Amino acid sequence: DTQMTQSPSSLSASVGDRVTITCRASQSISRYLNWYQQKPGKAPNLLISGASSLKSGVPSRFSGSGSGTDFTLTISSLQPEDFATYYCQQSNSLPITFGQGTRLE
Amino acid sequence: EVQLVESGGGLVKPGGSLRLSCAASGFAFSNAWMTWVRQAPGKGLEWVGRIKTKTDGATTDYAAPVKGRFTISRDDSKNTLYLQMDGLKTEDTAVYYCALRGYSNGPWFDPWGQGTLVAVSS
Repeated sequence: DTQMTQSPSSLSASVGDRVTITCRASQSISRYLNWYQQKPGKAPNLLISGASSLKSGVPSRFSGSGSGTDFTLTISSLQPEDFATYYCQQSNSLPITFGQGTRLE
Repeated sequence: EVQLVESGGGLVKPGGSLRLSCAASGFAFSNAWMTWVRQAPGKGLEWVGRIKTKTDGATTDYAAPVKGRFTISRDDSKNTLYLQMDGLKTEDTAVYYCALRGYSNGPWFDPWGQGTLVAVSS
């Protein structure tokens, strides 16, 4: 199985900050890496697919990069609605696996 | 609008069974690979399994913790996805989400249903 490790597990930030979350795969997953945002009591929402493709309607302050084993999600200027938990997910091979999540507070 | 609505969750004793449903609308369900993901209380996301289209053989794949106990099926005439859960364990307690598997730049899950809570306890 491909293990996904996110860092940090939690992050304290303020509105306007630039935030970067990293995700590392235990083996190469090419660019088969997706990012999801989840707010309390809600289902996850897709933000980015294929490591860097922003889903339509997602604000451009979100961006993703990386390939192979190392990936990042960056929020260029944090907005109040961005305080949530973020998960990376690899779709290169079964079983599909998620990172443990990064809580932005 | 693409919509997924889960139902069927509830409280069940260890060793018991439960069947979850996921009603789909707004897209060609019969052409879609579908997946189940769960989230234990206060924990992260865990992939449960997936089912391909009938055209692709309706093949199913499962995560190791549920293989042999859970069965994913689909009824394309009803636009409904199912998760039959047998031999439930306390560690199966979670919110269960169904999700549509899309593909561009690689596979991804979007959208997700609102989730249904399964609690396994004596």
